[in-house]
Formats: sequence, structure tokens, C-alpha cells
Amino acid sequence: QKEVEQDPGPLSVPEGAIVSLNCTYSNSAFQYFMWYRQYSRKGPELLMYTYSSGNKEDGRFTAQVDKSSKYISLFIRDSQPSDSATYLCAMSLSGSARQLTFGSGTQLTVLP
Amino acid sequence: DAGVTQSPTHLIKTRGQQVTLRCSPKSGHDTVSWYQQALGQGPQFIFQYYEEEERQRGNFPDRFSGHQFPNYSSELNVNALLLGDSALYLCASSGSGRVNEQFFGPGTRLTVL
Repeated sequence: QKEVEQDPGPLSVPEGAIVSLNCTYSNSAFQYFMWYRQYSRKGPELLMYTYSSGNKEDGRFTAQVDKSSKYISLFIRDSQPSDSATYLCAMSLSGSARQLTFGSGTQLTVLP
Repeated sequence: DAGVTQSPTHLIKTRGQQVTLRCSPKSGHDTVSWYQQALGQGPQFIFQYYEEEERQRGNFPDRFSGHQFPNYSSELNVNALLLGDSALYLCASSGSGRVNEQFFGPGTRLTVL
């Protein structure tokens, strides 16, 4: 079993839809949670960075962390065709260990 | 402000050869991490460098080695290349303070024939 599980999709939605992306994890020691967006043949771009449980909002993006359920989510409101990409969740432990553990990514297509 | 830069962009090698990939971190960052991303997979941690020393290592063989220079730039070396080493190699940098906030470069795509 992988430490971080992510539904690979692909996921297709119409423009303007609300998108929900999710990851589950097995290591309860994870403290930092991130979402990255990766366009084809490019490096991952950091979208959201959160610590411990709770919600964080940035523009059209909202990240949720539920440590009791070991479940994190990314919501995209008013989705745009430019949001079409692969979304990767990542997480890490506290302390000096800065290794990121990634999910396998969800491929999202927003149709105009 | 330049972000993380990597060179070369693409590389083609044959089995058994050696390769060196290079990374310059984002301005103000002192920590460099390397990841391997196979097609359709998430990045896998190789190792991390801080103050010119390897601070943490993932589950990769000794064929993978690295170095960090006084200006914080870094190299990843892979010896005795295998077909399975074909992947996108990503460099990420981070700074003290927000220690787990890593910014990635565009990657080097390595093809081993």
C-alpha cells in the first residue's frame, strides 16, 4: 500500500464547474500538506501549502485537511480551461526532514 | 527574480553511461532536493542537500550521488545508467523558515537507450 493514495482520473468537467480533488494517506505523522499543479512536460507549481488540519483559501482554490480521517482535498471554483493539468498532492513530516511524499496525480481537463 | 533553473532540458544516453544534471536554486534558498518522476507517476524523493552535505536520502541506489556548491547550486550524478532510469529529474529548492515549502524547476528529461 502506498503512503499517499490519489485517484488518477482522468477527470473531465465543463468550464465553470466546481472541482474536487482528494488524497488519502496512511502516515499519521504527516504535518505539512501541499497541492501542486503540473502542466504537461513541465515542473510542478506550488498552489497551496497548509500546516495541520483546517481550511485555507487562495482565490478560486480552497485546501482542506482532515487529519482525523487522513484525508485532504483541493477545491477549484469557477474552473477554467487553463486549469487543465495534473494535480499532485504532497505531504511531509515536521522537523528537519523535508522530504515530500507525493500522490500519483489526478489528470484534470476543463472543457470550454 | 529567477526561479529554480535546471540544465540541460533534455538528455539522451545509452545504458552504462554516466550523466550529470545541474540545478540552481531560487534566490534566497539554501536547500536543494532532487526527485525522479516516471511517466504517469508522482515525483519520488532521491536526496536533499543543505550546507553542502547530504541531509536526507530516499530509497535510491548508490549509483545516484550528488553535490552542493558554496553558492547553493547542486548536481545530480547517475552512474551505470539503466533503461529504468529514464524519467523527468526535478530539482526543488526551499529556504529556512518555511522549510517544507519546495519550489520546483522545469526538470531534465533523461532518456536511456
